[in-house]
Amino acid sequence: ETGVTQTPRHLVMGMTNKKSLKCEQHLGHNAMYWYKQSAKKPLELMFVYSLEERVENNSVPSRFSPECPNSSHLFLHLHTLQPEDSALYLCASSGWEGASGNTIYFGEGSWLTVV
Amino acid sequence: AQTVTQSQPEMSVQEAETVTLSCTYDTSESDYYLFWYKQPPSRQMILVIRQEAYKQQNATENRFSVNFQKAAKSFSLKISDSQLGDAAMYFCAYRSGIGGSQGNLIFGKGTKLSVKP
Repeated sequence: ETGVTQTPRHLVMGMTNKKSLKCEQHLGHNAMYWYKQSAKKPLELMFVYSLEERVENNSVPSRFSPECPNSSHLFLHLHTLQPEDSALYLCASSGWEGASGNTIYFGEGSWLTVV
Repeated sequence: AQTVTQSQPEMSVQEAETVTLSCTYDTSESDYYLFWYKQPPSRQMILVIRQEAYKQQNATENRFSVNFQKAAKSFSLKISDSQLGDAAMYFCAYRSGIGGSQGNLIFGKGTKLSVKP
Protein backbone atom coordinates (compact mmCIF):
# COMPACT_ATOMS: atom_id res chain seq x y z
CA GLU A 1 0.00 0.00 0.00
CA THR A 2 1.35 3.41 -0.91
CA GLY A 3 0.78 6.79 0.69
CA VAL A 4 0.62 8.31 -2.78
CA THR A 5 -2.09 7.00 -5.09
CA GLN A 6 -2.46 7.70 -8.79
CA THR A 7 -5.39 7.17 -11.12
CA PRO A 8 -5.79 5.92 -13.71
CA ARG A 9 -2.93 3.45 -13.76
CA HIS A 10 -3.20 3.08 -17.53
CA LEU A 11 -4.54 5.56 -20.06
CA VAL A 12 -4.74 5.40 -23.83
CA MET A 13 -5.76 8.59 -25.55
CA GLY A 14 -5.91 10.03 -29.02
CA MET A 15 -4.03 13.15 -29.96
CA THR A 16 -7.17 15.25 -29.95
CA ASN A 17 -8.50 14.01 -26.60
CA LYS A 18 -8.52 15.77 -23.26
CA LYS A 19 -7.85 13.67 -20.21
CA SER A 20 -6.50 14.11 -16.70
CA LEU A 21 -4.23 12.21 -14.36
CA LYS A 22 -5.03 12.37 -10.67
CA CYS A 23 -2.75 12.04 -7.67
CA GLU A 24 -3.62 11.99 -3.99
CA GLN A 25 -1.22 11.82 -1.06
CA HIS A 26 -2.19 10.59 2.40
CA LEU A 27 1.07 11.51 4.13
CA GLY A 28 0.34 15.04 5.31
CA HIS A 29 3.01 16.42 3.00
CA ASN A 30 3.19 19.98 1.76
CA ALA A 31 4.87 19.52 -1.63
CA MET A 32 3.82 17.50 -4.66
CA TYR A 33 5.55 16.70 -7.91
CA TRP A 34 4.99 15.35 -11.40
CA TYR A 35 7.81 13.38 -12.99
CA LYS A 36 7.99 11.88 -16.46
CA GLN A 37 9.82 8.62 -17.13
CA SER A 38 10.29 7.60 -20.73
CA ALA A 39 12.24 4.70 -22.13
CA LYS A 40 15.34 6.53 -23.24
CA LYS A 41 15.69 9.28 -20.68
CA PRO A 42 16.29 9.57 -16.95
CA LEU A 43 13.42 10.72 -14.78
CA GLU A 44 12.47 14.26 -15.63
CA LEU A 45 10.90 16.66 -13.18
CA MET A 46 7.92 18.40 -14.75
CA PHE A 47 6.23 20.42 -12.02
CA VAL A 48 6.59 21.15 -8.33
CA TYR A 49 3.88 22.51 -6.06
CA SER A 50 4.58 23.70 -2.55
CA LEU A 51 1.64 24.65 -0.37
CA GLU A 52 -0.54 24.58 -3.47
CA GLU A 53 1.59 27.10 -5.34
CA ARG A 54 3.58 26.12 -8.40
CA VAL A 55 7.23 26.70 -7.67
CA GLU A 56 8.84 25.01 -10.63
CA ASN A 57 7.94 24.34 -14.23
CA ASN A 58 10.76 22.70 -16.13
CA SER A 59 10.01 24.05 -19.59
CA VAL A 60 7.11 21.67 -19.99
CA PRO A 61 4.95 22.17 -23.12
CA SER A 62 1.63 23.88 -22.51
CA ARG A 63 -0.26 20.77 -23.57
CA PHE A 64 0.48 19.60 -20.01
CA SER A 65 -1.40 21.67 -17.46
CA PRO A 66 -1.04 20.96 -13.72
CA GLU A 67 -3.54 21.80 -11.04
CA CYS A 68 -3.15 21.62 -7.28
CA PRO A 69 -6.46 22.44 -5.56
CA ASN A 70 -5.12 21.57 -2.10
CA SER A 71 -2.05 20.05 -0.51
CA SER A 72 -3.36 16.51 -0.86
CA HIS A 73 -4.37 16.50 -4.51
CA LEU A 74 -2.53 17.09 -7.75
CA PHE A 75 -3.81 16.80 -11.29
CA LEU A 76 -2.14 16.75 -14.67
CA HIS A 77 -4.49 17.84 -17.42
CA LEU A 78 -3.58 16.55 -20.86
CA HIS A 79 -4.71 17.91 -24.23
CA THR A 80 -3.58 17.59 -27.83
CA LEU A 81 -0.70 15.34 -26.86
CA GLN A 82 1.85 13.86 -29.23
CA PRO A 83 2.91 10.21 -29.52
CA GLU A 84 6.28 11.12 -28.00
CA ASP A 85 4.43 12.07 -24.81
CA SER A 86 3.76 8.38 -24.20
CA ALA A 87 5.53 7.58 -20.94
CA LEU A 88 5.12 6.71 -17.30
CA TYR A 89 4.02 9.71 -15.27
CA LEU A 90 4.97 9.55 -11.63
CA CYS A 91 3.44 11.65 -8.91
CA ALA A 92 5.36 12.23 -5.71
CA SER A 93 5.18 14.16 -2.46
CA SER A 94 7.48 15.31 0.32
CA GLY A 95 7.08 16.69 3.80
CA TRP A 96 8.17 19.65 5.83
CA GLU A 97 11.57 19.56 7.45
CA GLY A 98 14.43 17.36 8.48
CA ALA A 99 15.65 14.22 6.79
CA SER A 100 12.12 12.91 6.45
CA GLY A 101 11.04 16.13 4.83
CA ASN A 102 13.75 15.80 2.27
CA THR A 103 12.59 12.37 1.18
CA ILE A 104 10.33 12.22 -1.85
CA TYR A 105 7.77 9.43 -1.90
CA PHE A 106 6.35 8.22 -5.17
CA GLY A 107 3.06 6.84 -6.38
CA GLU A 108 2.73 3.78 -8.58
CA GLY A 109 2.66 5.79 -11.77
CA SER A 110 0.23 6.28 -14.63
CA TRP A 111 1.11 4.69 -17.94
CA LEU A 112 0.10 6.99 -20.77
CA THR A 113 -0.07 5.91 -24.39
CA VAL A 114 -0.88 8.50 -27.04
CA VAL A 115 -2.16 7.06 -30.30
CA ALA B 1 24.90 21.80 -11.49
CA GLN B 2 24.71 18.52 -9.64
CA THR B 3 25.09 15.23 -11.48
CA VAL B 4 24.64 11.60 -10.50
CA THR B 5 26.44 8.79 -12.30
CA GLN B 6 25.72 5.09 -12.15
CA SER B 7 28.40 3.36 -14.17
CA GLN B 8 26.87 -0.13 -14.13
CA PRO B 9 23.88 -0.41 -16.49
CA GLU B 10 23.31 -4.03 -15.43
CA MET B 11 24.40 -6.27 -12.58
CA SER B 12 23.69 -9.85 -11.68
CA VAL B 13 23.87 -11.68 -8.36
CA GLN B 14 23.22 -15.18 -7.16
CA GLU B 15 20.44 -15.60 -4.65
CA ALA B 16 21.74 -15.31 -1.05
CA GLU B 17 24.94 -13.62 -2.22
CA THR B 18 26.01 -10.00 -1.77
CA VAL B 19 26.13 -7.36 -4.48
CA THR B 20 27.31 -3.75 -4.52
CA LEU B 21 25.88 -1.10 -6.82
CA SER B 22 28.02 1.95 -7.52
CA CYS B 23 27.07 5.60 -7.60
CA THR B 24 29.11 8.76 -7.80
CA TYR B 25 27.89 12.31 -7.72
CA ASP B 26 29.18 15.78 -8.26
CA THR B 27 28.22 18.80 -6.20
CA SER B 28 29.70 21.90 -4.66
CA GLU B 29 27.17 21.90 -1.83
CA SER B 30 27.88 20.68 1.66
CA ASP B 31 24.29 20.08 2.73
CA TYR B 32 22.52 17.40 0.75
CA TYR B 33 20.79 14.05 0.89
CA LEU B 34 21.42 10.87 -1.06
CA PHE B 35 18.94 8.12 -1.80
CA TRP B 36 18.66 4.75 -3.37
CA TYR B 37 15.31 3.95 -4.95
CA LYS B 38 14.16 0.61 -6.28
CA GLN B 39 11.83 0.32 -9.27
CA PRO B 40 10.50 -3.22 -9.77
CA PRO B 41 8.53 -4.27 -12.86
CA SER B 42 5.42 -2.69 -11.32
CA ARG B 43 7.29 0.61 -11.94
CA GLN B 44 6.57 2.13 -8.54
CA MET B 45 9.60 4.00 -7.24
CA ILE B 46 10.28 2.64 -3.76
CA LEU B 47 12.67 4.23 -1.29
CA VAL B 48 15.35 1.77 -0.22
CA ILE B 49 17.67 3.85 1.91
CA ARG B 50 18.55 7.46 2.70
CA GLN B 51 21.80 9.12 3.77
CA GLU B 52 22.21 12.62 5.17
CA ALA B 53 25.50 14.14 4.04
CA TYR B 54 26.21 15.59 7.49
CA LYS B 55 26.19 12.12 9.03
CA GLN B 56 29.44 10.20 8.93
CA GLN B 57 27.81 6.92 9.86
CA ASN B 58 26.68 4.84 6.93
CA ALA B 59 22.94 4.21 6.75
CA THR B 60 21.59 0.68 7.03
CA GLU B 61 18.14 -0.78 6.50
CA ASN B 62 17.98 -4.49 7.18
CA ARG B 63 19.84 -6.18 4.27
CA PHE B 64 20.62 -2.86 2.61
CA SER B 65 23.56 -0.68 3.56
CA VAL B 66 25.53 2.11 1.96
CA ASN B 67 29.17 3.03 1.78
CA PHE B 68 29.14 6.82 1.83
CA GLN B 69 32.49 8.41 1.00
CA LYS B 70 31.84 12.14 1.11
CA ALA B 71 35.29 13.28 0.05
CA ALA B 72 35.26 10.91 -2.91
CA LYS B 73 31.61 11.74 -3.64
CA SER B 74 30.76 8.08 -3.74
CA PHE B 75 27.57 6.42 -2.50
CA SER B 76 27.39 2.68 -3.14
CA LEU B 77 24.59 0.33 -2.14
CA LYS B 78 25.30 -3.10 -0.74
CA ILE B 79 22.58 -5.73 -0.78
CA SER B 80 23.28 -8.71 1.45
CA ASP B 81 21.58 -12.11 1.26
CA SER B 82 20.04 -11.18 -2.09
CA GLN B 83 16.50 -12.36 -2.69
CA LEU B 84 14.55 -12.88 -5.90
CA GLY B 85 12.35 -9.93 -4.94
CA ASP B 86 15.38 -7.65 -5.06
CA ALA B 87 15.42 -7.87 -8.84
CA ALA B 88 14.65 -4.37 -10.10
CA MET B 89 16.09 -1.15 -11.45
CA TYR B 90 17.99 0.72 -8.78
CA PHE B 91 18.34 4.47 -8.98
CA CYS B 92 20.76 6.60 -7.05
CA ALA B 93 19.46 10.11 -6.39
CA TYR B 94 20.68 13.40 -4.96
CA ARG B 95 18.71 16.15 -3.33
CA SER B 96 20.03 19.49 -2.20
CA GLY B 97 19.57 20.44 1.43
CA ILE B 98 18.78 23.95 0.28
CA GLY B 99 15.27 24.78 -0.76
CA GLY B 100 13.37 22.70 1.78
CA SER B 101 10.51 20.75 0.33
CA GLN B 102 10.94 22.30 -3.08
CA GLY B 103 14.31 20.86 -4.01
CA ASN B 104 14.43 18.52 -6.95
CA LEU B 105 15.71 14.95 -6.95
CA ILE B 106 18.48 14.34 -9.45
CA PHE B 107 18.57 10.74 -10.60
CA GLY B 108 21.22 8.57 -12.11
CA LYS B 109 20.36 6.46 -15.14
CA GLY B 110 19.84 3.35 -13.06
CA THR B 111 21.32 -0.12 -12.65
CA LYS B 112 19.26 -3.14 -13.59
CA LEU B 113 19.80 -5.87 -11.02
CA SER B 114 19.03 -9.49 -11.84
CA VAL B 115 18.91 -12.16 -9.15
CA LYS B 116 19.62 -15.73 -10.19
CA PRO B 117 18.01 -18.58 -8.25
